[in-house]
Amino acid sequence: GDSVTQMEGPVTLSEEAFLTINCTYTATGYPSLFWYVQYPGEGLQLLLKATKADDKGSNKGFEATYRKETTSFHLEKGSVQVSDSAVYFCALSDGGKLIFGQGTELSVKP
Amino acid sequence: KAGVTQTPRYLIKTRGQQVTLSCSPISGHRSVSWYQQTPGQGLQFLFEYFSETQRNKGNFPGRFSGRQFSNSRSEMNVSTLELGDSALYLCASSLGTSGGNEQFFGPGTRLTVL
Repeated sequence: GDSVTQMEGPVTLSEEAFLTINCTYTATGYPSLFWYVQYPGEGLQLLLKATKADDKGSNKGFEATYRKETTSFHLEKGSVQVSDSAVYFCALSDGGKLIFGQGTELSVKP
Repeated sequence: KAGVTQTPRYLIKTRGQQVTLSCSPISGHRSVSWYQQTPGQGLQFLFEYFSETQRNKGNFPGRFSGRQFSNSRSEMNVSTLELGDSALYLCASSLGTSGGNEQFFGPGTRLTVL
């Protein structure tokens, strides 16, 4: 079945460092891909999405490009802030349901 | 526009009891999905409803059930609670069932089974 694999955390960075969180997927079709973020004690917030190959999703300085040839959707940000500390989830859409990766905890130190 | 709301936010139950969780989707959204989040298993899909019909179901035992009302509000029920049912239950709504539709999540209901 379809699946999503994320790099394991926790990831600890200093403020203004460059962030990459790797995400690869396995799917039989051409799913839409998403990044969600979860702050402590809260639900999931959609960060960005891409619906077809070579699409780039972007929001709040975060970017991810749908790479069909490498089945990847890596999340990047050029300069992280303390407020970016959260858990990040990569997901693919299989019809109406989302299949999530295991999540990557990011901690940004001042 | 109000977001997805879930009630209650916290619940404590004992083994063998049953529980009902409620979800009100964003106005105009007709699809509601439920997910279970645990430290060990991560985020797992429970089921999806659209226009009062269950369209998709995850790999959970029959103790987990749900329904959707004509106003798109949804409830999920867990009967004969087990310790392993302790989790954060998240509801998400979207306009439709297409894979490209964004799902908007509520804050979740934290269920603790003692």
